Amino acid sequence: NAGVMQNPRHLVRRRGQEARLRCSPVKGHSHVYWYRQLPEEGLKFMVYLQKENIIDESGMPKERFSAEFPKEGPSILRIQQVVRGDSAAYFCASSPPGARDIQYFGAGTRLSVL
Amino acid sequence: GNSVTQMEGPVTLSEEAFLTINCTYTATGYPSLFWYVQYPGEGLQLLLKATKADDKGSNKGFEATYRKETTSFHLEKGSVQVSDSAVYFCALTASTGNQFYFGTGTSLTVIP
Repeated sequence: NAGVMQNPRHLVRRRGQEARLRCSPVKGHSHVYWYRQLPEEGLKFMVYLQKENIIDESGMPKERFSAEFPKEGPSILRIQQVVRGDSAAYFCASSPPGARDIQYFGAGTRLSVL
Repeated sequence: GNSVTQMEGPVTLSEEAFLTINCTYTATGYPSLFWYVQYPGEGLQLLLKATKADDKGSNKGFEATYRKETTSFHLEKGSVQVSDSAVYFCALTASTGNQFYFGTGTSLTVIP
């Protein structure tokens, strides 16, 4: 594994609460991607960010979900007012400048909504 | 659109058996094709890739050949080991665009 750090590894929330998932990319990587894996499904793209910019959010649900990658600090995926259907594994990946076809993945955050 | 279909699991093999995990794809343009592996409790790791037709990717005894005529990228290994037990994901990235498209994953268990 090339060092993408995600935390927490497991997150339990009750319906209506907020979930905040963090991702620190490989040092020197300026591109971050978020994917969601629902039970029995493959990973589905959510959003692609560069520092301070959202480049492609075509896979993000229109409501309750947001992502940021600030100039300093980790990328954050935020889910407001969680529902049971948000229960999934959320993976973050990063890639270096100029090499977007090589993505290094974190171990994922498993979100459980009670 | 772009999509990946891979062989459903789980697959259980004895050590030293031959492994094939099928993967077919649908894509516009000229995609790059990948196999990722996920060991228990870890993130996905790139196993091998191929960027154009007839390319063969290989790593750690695994190999896959990019077949444009059959739109396939099957993963093979001649002799599996217990340490190969993991979930294997086939994926593609389109010639334009920012995302990977993943198959549903195939769980492999190798027994001694």
